[in-house]
Amino acid sequence: VQLVQTGGGLIQPGGSLRLSCAVSGVSVSNNYMSWVRQAPGKGLEWVSVIDSGGRTYHTDSVKGRFTISRDNSRNTLSLQMNSLRAEDTAVYYCARIIAPRLDIWREFDYWGQGTLVTVSS
Amino acid sequence: QSVLTQPPSVSAAPGQKVIISCSGSTSNIGNNYISWYQQLPGTAPKLLIYENNKRPPGIPDRFSGSKSGTSATLGITGLQTGDEADYYCGTWDSSLGDWVFGGGTKLTV
Repeated sequence: VQLVQTGGGLIQPGGSLRLSCAVSGVSVSNNYMSWVRQAPGKGLEWVSVIDSGGRTYHTDSVKGRFTISRDNSRNTLSLQMNSLRAEDTAVYYCARIIAPRLDIWREFDYWGQGTLVTVSS
Repeated sequence: QSVLTQPPSVSAAPGQKVIISCSGSTSNIGNNYISWYQQLPGTAPKLLIYENNKRPPGIPDRFSGSKSGTSATLGITGLQTGDEADYYCGTWDSSLGDWVFGGGTKLTV
């Protein structure tokens, strides 16, 4: 299983950015997939999740600004980030979640390499 | 302030054993599986322990997990300098309906 991320970079406050995660070895359509971020010097925080049924979940601080999606034909995961703020500055990781029961996540087992998003003027 | 409490740092000498704790409540650790993640400097987190005490393929048996009540621990024996990393616990919180990570523990060997 491999998760290879692209995207990221420096963006001004209020701008938009799209992150992508190319997945091999597992199907994004059959799995819970997520984005997790880590602000500089801080801990891990889940940001967005799309479950196997296509339902999406976003942490409160990004609701209405970030959108998680998947392309089943290309087996990729994406995160569209709009109205970016300085506090969104972080390394973003895509990761697969093991969720044996509906709406209960058990662990994050495969991770991408991470991509840095810097929101600054 | 994280729902799961970890010590900010721990240290031990090479070859020794260290225990990293993760304290929570009945709504998270007490009623759900805990997992542990190792993040080596400058790299992505890696799953170390899942379902409280199971190791994914390739994780050496020097790493072990346990859970008792509303607390969990990660044990590392035969410490190596290559084990220097940040370690995070994580679990589902049934009251929040949300996933929670601990604040992380920096291990110095």
